[in-house]
Amino acid sequence: AQKITQTQPGMFVQEKEAVTLDCTYDTSDQSYGLFWYKQPSSGEMIFLIYQGSYDEQNATEGRYSLNFQKARKSANLVISASQLGDSAMYFCAMREGGLMFSGGYNKLIFGAGTRLAVHP
Amino acid sequence: GAGVSQSPSNKVTEKGKDVELRCDPISGHTALYWYRQSLGQGLEFLIYFQGNSAPDKSGLPSDRFSAERTGGSVSTLTIQRTQQEDSAVYLCASSLTGEAGELFFGEGSRLTVL
Repeated sequence: AQKITQTQPGMFVQEKEAVTLDCTYDTSDQSYGLFWYKQPSSGEMIFLIYQGSYDEQNATEGRYSLNFQKARKSANLVISASQLGDSAMYFCAMREGGLMFSGGYNKLIFGAGTRLAVHP
Repeated sequence: GAGVSQSPSNKVTEKGKDVELRCDPISGHTALYWYRQSLGQGLEFLIYFQGNSAPDKSGLPSDRFSAERTGGSVSTLTIQRTQQEDSAVYLCASSLTGEAGELFFGEGSRLTVL
């Protein structure tokens, strides 16, 4: 079953406007973590923001914020005041469960990504 | 350097040959991941090492794929009898342990199978 769903293969936004990139997830665990990564055309993966399932406040990092709606199992990324340099692929990811019986943590799985194009 | 290092950055091979891809994680990171990314696609999980725990191999697509991590540090991903569909960028990432541990990625190894 698909754990992470990003329904928007591509998005366009005008420079200086805000944009929301959608992400829904599927888990039966109460404890999990949600991540967003950016991948520019250069190919590097850049960590943007993290939200823990028990965090009561939505995470924010500069122009990035995560709109976390636990009951709806959604973790949308909001980019405010878009810049041309924001044009990239954006991936939502999830790590299920807290500490496992084995003493370790679960793996991080990624969605299919959304390609964002910022127009001047 | 302080980041995740992968080699080779580019590898062109003939169908049927074996290849080895190397990953040197950030010092002190106990978790190490391999992902595969085909052109324009998302990240496909392959394998995950964490400390002394048994690796999670659930993403390996076939028995032609294997990986090991020596001494809890450097990892090698081996693909035997390569096929054209193995062509992709292979990304390695490492992280500190913990639920919130963000992944730090290498620049990837681009594999082309002719």
